[in-house]
Amino acid sequence: AQSVTQLGSHVSVSEGALVLLRCNYSSSVPPYLFWYVQYPNQGLQLLLKYTSAATLVKGINGFEAEFKKSETSFHLTKPSAHMSDAAEYFCAVSLSGGYNKLIFGAGTRLAVHP
Amino acid sequence: DADVTQTPRNRITKTGKRIMLECSQTKGHDRMYWYRQDPGLGLRLIYYSFDVKDINKGEISDGYSVSRQAQAKFSLSLESAIPNQTALYFCATSDFGQGSSGTQYFGPGTRLLVL
Repeated sequence: AQSVTQLGSHVSVSEGALVLLRCNYSSSVPPYLFWYVQYPNQGLQLLLKYTSAATLVKGINGFEAEFKKSETSFHLTKPSAHMSDAAEYFCAVSLSGGYNKLIFGAGTRLAVHP
Repeated sequence: DADVTQTPRNRITKTGKRIMLECSQTKGHDRMYWYRQDPGLGLRLIYYSFDVKDINKGEISDGYSVSRQAQAKFSLSLESAIPNQTALYFCATSDFGQGSSGTQYFGPGTRLLVL
């Protein structure tokens, strides 16, 4: 069965500091992996996705994530945090091959302080 | 205009009442989903539909029912609302088929409070 674990329900960084949000997955078949962002009082917006092409994936707003099969990880990073990055971030996994059912992690709330 | 819309955006109801949450999409996707979001639990799948005639239970379907009226419309009903159904509810859509990544597109959510 697939599952997703996000380490750290809350992460706090200073503006301009590195953002690192951790995601580990388990899947018996090659996965598709996603990061979604939820800004206050809004729905979920796709940040980036891994679909078995390049292992380093670039997304919107300067975020990127690297798929590491040996570590079963898909951590999200951004070199320099901005105040507008404050939001909740969700990692999700689905089976490849068009199955499409997503399994979400519990989410990590990112706070950015001046 | 938004691709995935949900109505109402906020709803307060009383225990025992029947309510319906509606979702419409203009993306032309066959697949639609209902999730609930609770703090610290992420999103959990309630029901999903791969086409108008194909509806499936998710991990937490008890107390809920759905109706897929058309490709573009997918409604979620709480037959007899209870306080622990207080949550944020999201509808989502996705395309399918070989080559599809499974990206899901979310509506803005319905915040439900059951008193």
